[in-house]
Amino acid sequence: DTGVSQDPRHKITKRGQNVTFRCDPISEHNRLYWYRQTLGQGPEFLTYFQNEAQLEKSRLLSDRFSAERPKGSFSTLEIQRTEQGDSAMYLCASSLDSGTNTGELFFGEGSRLTVL
Amino acid sequence: DQQVKQNSPSLSVQEGRISILNCDYTNSMFDYFLWYKKYPAEGPTFLISISSIKDKNEDGRFTVFLNKSAKHLSLHIVPSQPGDSAVYFCAASTSYDKVIFGPGTSLSVIP
Repeated sequence: DTGVSQDPRHKITKRGQNVTFRCDPISEHNRLYWYRQTLGQGPEFLTYFQNEAQLEKSRLLSDRFSAERPKGSFSTLEIQRTEQGDSAMYLCASSLDSGTNTGELFFGEGSRLTVL
Repeated sequence: DQQVKQNSPSLSVQEGRISILNCDYTNSMFDYFLWYKKYPAEGPTFLISISSIKDKNEDGRFTVFLNKSAKHLSLHIVPSQPGDSAVYFCAASTSYDKVIFGPGTSLSVIP
């Protein structure tokens, strides 16, 4: 399977714990995005990378959230001191930016976080 | 501020009839408009897109119409099939920036 893969698919944690999600994009894709989706809402932009450079981070994103893409391949999203409001589906997507971004993203199946 | 809006949370259509999903946007700088489909427990998948320089794009049973003056686009599915039942997200982007998604419309196609 050469699609976008995310791990873990499900995570249940207690409030105050740290969690980390991993995303492996499609291998030739240079852009990687993280989105968050809650029930009844569309994917909400969190951050994105062009290769290893983090180009933008949502201003709505708390400092408890950090993302890395150290070698321009896989990416991790860490949430520190989780809160119940962090419960959501965390979606990773990748795309190939060949000079023009058409907006066509390839999504993984998501990592569902439940904070108790 | 919500730059991409889908004012109908849900829509029900009889099998074989036309499904029309609507989307409005506020940012006149958007270059591309897209529709994604999402089944439960899966990530969204790209369905169809349209460049801002066009007013129509067709792909099989799916057609997207863009009205730039009204900042409005729509997705037509003809004929609708039960397998089309899913949540449909309207999305938009500029050629150099991130993709912004609407809240989605849940389509139910009734056999």
